[in-house]
Amino acid sequence: AAGVIQSPRHLIKEKRETATLKCYPIPRHDTVYWYQQGPGQDPQFLISFYEKMQSDKGSIPDRFSAQQFSDYHSELNMSSLELGDSALYFCASSIYGLAGVDTQYFGPGTRLTVL
Amino acid sequence: AQKVTQAQTEISVVEKEDVTLDCVYETRDTTYYLFWYKQPPSGELVFLIRRNSFDEQNEISGRYSWNFQKSTSSFNFTITASQVVDSAVYFCALSEAKRSGNTGKLIFGQGTTLQVKP
Repeated sequence: AAGVIQSPRHLIKEKRETATLKCYPIPRHDTVYWYQQGPGQDPQFLISFYEKMQSDKGSIPDRFSAQQFSDYHSELNMSSLELGDSALYFCASSIYGLAGVDTQYFGPGTRLTVL
Repeated sequence: AQKVTQAQTEISVVEKEDVTLDCVYETRDTTYYLFWYKQPPSGELVFLIRRNSFDEQNEISGRYSWNFQKSTSSFNFTITASQVVDSAVYFCALSEAKRSGNTGKLIFGQGTTLQVKP
């Protein structure tokens, strides 16, 4: 079965540079979530999109922005990178249900290292 | 506020032992959802199970079983006859029911690192 695709898998940037992470959800999934997992930490919710509209926001820095495109893929843009942004960034996707909560399926993650 | 606590930071067992991973949650909602995810050394997050708050039936899947008790706000995970391939970090997560402005983001516990030795 198709899974969530994230690219790139690894990214190395210098401080103050910009990075763009991409996420391609499972086919027919219409909701995308972004999480950040620091070393030895649990994943922290950043932001989510449903049908190309931002639907929820967590502890996402103002330096970060994200969007979901017409083909449902999503991009997380990170500017003025700091050392503390080094982390594993996960994208997850789900299909919107009429009620309740949908199971989120995670991509393999993008490991960002800021030097 | 929502919170998930996994008090066991690390557990080490010998292969074929049974092991239980504890998960305690806090939420004010009457409708909520609980999940377990596995994160092997390769780093991906693998969905294991989802349980709805209105369904307290325990579940067994092969060597895995889950015990959900609303009275104690716990959702524990047991691996029977553990194997080396079970070595991973296991996360318990909570999501509240979807409503305006909330698409059901996951609140994770701190994770339990399970090491199964041969």
